[in-house]
Amino acid sequence: DGGITQSPKYLFRKEGQNVTLSCEQNLNHDAMYWYRQDPGQGLRLIYYSQIVNDFQKGDIAEGYSVSREKKESFPLTVTSAQKNPTAFYLCASRPGGGSYNEQFFGPGTRLTVL
Amino acid sequence: AQSVSQHNHHVILSEAASLELGCNYSYGGTVNLFWYVQYPGQHLQLLLKYFSGDPLVKGIKGFEAEFIKSKFSFNLRKPSVQWSDTAEYFCAVRTGGFKTIFGAGTRLFVKA
Repeated sequence: DGGITQSPKYLFRKEGQNVTLSCEQNLNHDAMYWYRQDPGQGLRLIYYSQIVNDFQKGDIAEGYSVSREKKESFPLTVTSAQKNPTAFYLCASRPGGGSYNEQFFGPGTRLTVL
Repeated sequence: AQSVSQHNHHVILSEAASLELGCNYSYGGTVNLFWYVQYPGQHLQLLLKYFSGDPLVKGIKGFEAEFIKSKFSFNLRKPSVQWSDTAEYFCAVRTGGFKTIFGAGTRLFVKA
C-alpha cells in the first residue's frame, strides 16, 4: 500500500520539552510539507522540502525545525520556543517535476502540550 | 499577500438540498485551484482540481466547481447533498512553485 504515515496519532508532552513528529512516505514523491491545522484557521504551512537535503520555511516556521536526510522521511521537531504548540499536525507530499499534481496527506498527529 | 477566503465557516443542510460553498483568492497571475475534503476521522483528500482548460471541473461523489477568473472565484457545488457529505471542505490555491495556500475551511453538516 502506497501512502503517507505519521506517528504517533496522539502525542502528549510537558511544556518546555522538544518533541519530534514522524512523517514517512513510500510514494517516491520529491516534495514534502508540514502543516498545522487549528480550528477556524485552515492549514498553515510550517516547512516544506522540494528535494533531499533542502527545505524552506513556510508561513509559521518559528519554533519548529525539520530535516530531510532521506527522500521518504521528513520529521518535524516542535521546540520549546513554539509558544502555542498544541495543534493537529499534517504531513503531505507531492510529486516533483511540475505543477500538474496535487498533495497527498497523512492521517495527522494531534499534539497536546500540558 | 496571497490569501484564500471561504465565505462560510459552518453550513447546515437537509439531505437533497443543493450546496454551494464559496471560495475567493487574491492573486492576479496563473493559479492552480483545489478543493479538499476531510471526512470525520479520515485523511484530507482531493475532491477536485483545476489547472487549465474547461473552467467547470467535475470531481468525485458528484461535486463540481467553476473557476471564474474575473471574479477570482472557485465555488464548489453539488445539486443534492447526502448525509455522507458531512465533512470539512477546504479550498486551496497554488500560485506557482511548491507552496499551496489553504482557506480556513467550511464545516458542512447534512441532516438526515
